[in-house]
Amino acid sequence: KAGVTQTPRYLIKTRGQQVTLSCSPISGHRSVSWYQQTPGQGLQFLFEYFSETQRNKGNFPGRFSGRQFSNSRSEMNVSTLELGDSALYLCASSFGRYDGELFFGEGSRLTVL
Amino acid sequence: KQEVTQIPAALSVPEGENLVLNCSFTDSAIYNLQWFRQDPGKGLTSLLLIQSSQREQTSGRLNASLDKSSGRSTLYIAASQPGDSATYLCAVKAGYALNFGKGTSLLVTP
Repeated sequence: KAGVTQTPRYLIKTRGQQVTLSCSPISGHRSVSWYQQTPGQGLQFLFEYFSETQRNKGNFPGRFSGRQFSNSRSEMNVSTLELGDSALYLCASSFGRYDGELFFGEGSRLTVL
Repeated sequence: KQEVTQIPAALSVPEGENLVLNCSFTDSAIYNLQWFRQDPGKGLTSLLLIQSSQREQTSGRLNASLDKSSGRSTLYIAASQPGDSATYLCAVKAGYALNFGKGTSLLVTP
C-alpha cells in the first residue's frame, strides 16, 4: 500500500514569496497533520485536519495556512516567506485522530534565500 | 505543557552490542507513545507504537517499553548493526498533536 506522498521534495524560494506544499495521505486515512522540523527547534506541530476541517493549529503565525480536500489530500501554504521558514516540512496521516499510529512522508525541504 | 526528553543525545557503539535509548515525558495522561527512526534528510519511519494501556511492544530486534506512572519509555535494540545508524525519536500523543523529543543520534560502527 502506498505511503504518505509529499510534493515537492525540494524547493528554493526568496524572502517575500509564497509556497504551497502538497500531501497525499495513505488510502483510507482521514487525519492529516503537518510538522515543521528545524535543527534548533526540532519537530513542531503546525496543523491537524480531519474531514476537511482544521481541528487544531500550533503556535505559528497566520502566514501559515492549510486545507484538506474531500479525498483527504492536504495542502499547506506559507505566505510572505522569511529566512526562518527554511525547514523540513513533514506531513503525517493516521486512520484515527487520537490513538492511531502516525505515518510520515519524506518531507518537503524548503530553503528561503 | 508536555515535555519530552531523550537521553543520550548521541551514542556510538560497535556492531553487535545491545543498547537502550531512553525517553521521559512530564505528563502521564497520554494516548500513546511512538518511536520513530529518521535517516539524514529523510522523513520519519514509524518503528513501534505503544498504546497507553500497554506495557511493551516488540518488532524484530526492537523492543519498546512504557511506564506511564513514571513517565518513561525505553527502546531496546538487540545485536545492533551498522544499518541501525540513524536518529531515533520518541513522540508522545497527549492530545491532538505529537510532542517530540530532540532525538538520539546513533552510530553503529563495523
